Amino acid sequence: DGGITQSPKYLFRKEGQNVTLSCEQNLNHDAMYWYRQDPGQGLRLIYYSQIVNDFQKGDIAEGYSVSREKKESFPLTVTSAQKNPTAFYLCASTGWAGGWSNQPQHFGDGTRLSIL
Amino acid sequence: QKEVEQNSGPLSVPEGAIASLNCTYSDRGSQSFFWYRQYSGKSPELIMSIYSNGDKEDGRFTAQLNKASQYVSLLIRDSQPSDSATYLCAVNLILTGGGNKLTFGTGTQLKVEL
Repeated sequence: DGGITQSPKYLFRKEGQNVTLSCEQNLNHDAMYWYRQDPGQGLRLIYYSQIVNDFQKGDIAEGYSVSREKKESFPLTVTSAQKNPTAFYLCASTGWAGGWSNQPQHFGDGTRLSIL
Repeated sequence: QKEVEQNSGPLSVPEGAIASLNCTYSDRGSQSFFWYRQYSGKSPELIMSIYSNGDKEDGRFTAQLNKASQYVSLLIRDSQPSDSATYLCAVNLILTGGGNKLTFGTGTQLKVEL
């Protein structure tokens, strides 16, 4: 089945530790996105990538890093510089058409990150 | 002013009634509009897309768009307890320099009561 796979489902981070969240898609989508969702709040964009080896900062990129070495994969690293990382992290993807897309984004099942 | 605004609710409706969810947006250049349903602890699931003014129906769901008023709504007919969830409105804006940005509202919590 085509879809977006996020792992792990739950993740715990110790103080001063970097952690990496995985996102893989087999939908052949060009664009991939990372969002953060806090309780009672909407989704906030962290980073996005429209093409392999290229990515842009979203609205809340500080304390996060990404890479896009393969079309299928867009991992997110939560660094120790992110002082309040506890949240629900969602990866999404969408098709791309010549520089923009009006297509909806489809989401993975999410990773819930907590501080130990 | 928030880019996409929704009443957080909760909106309570009796089973079998029509639930009406509303969303306003600030950028007149917005091109496409989406409604997502999110159950507690789960990821958002797309339920409706709408691109032009008017109504679009899909089963028990109807999306309504009025670009002049910068308003998009979702109607759920014959509401069921399984419709109880948070509904997120998302607005897509094509950027001048290329690319696009999808902005989400904070969501409206719907409760369908027996």
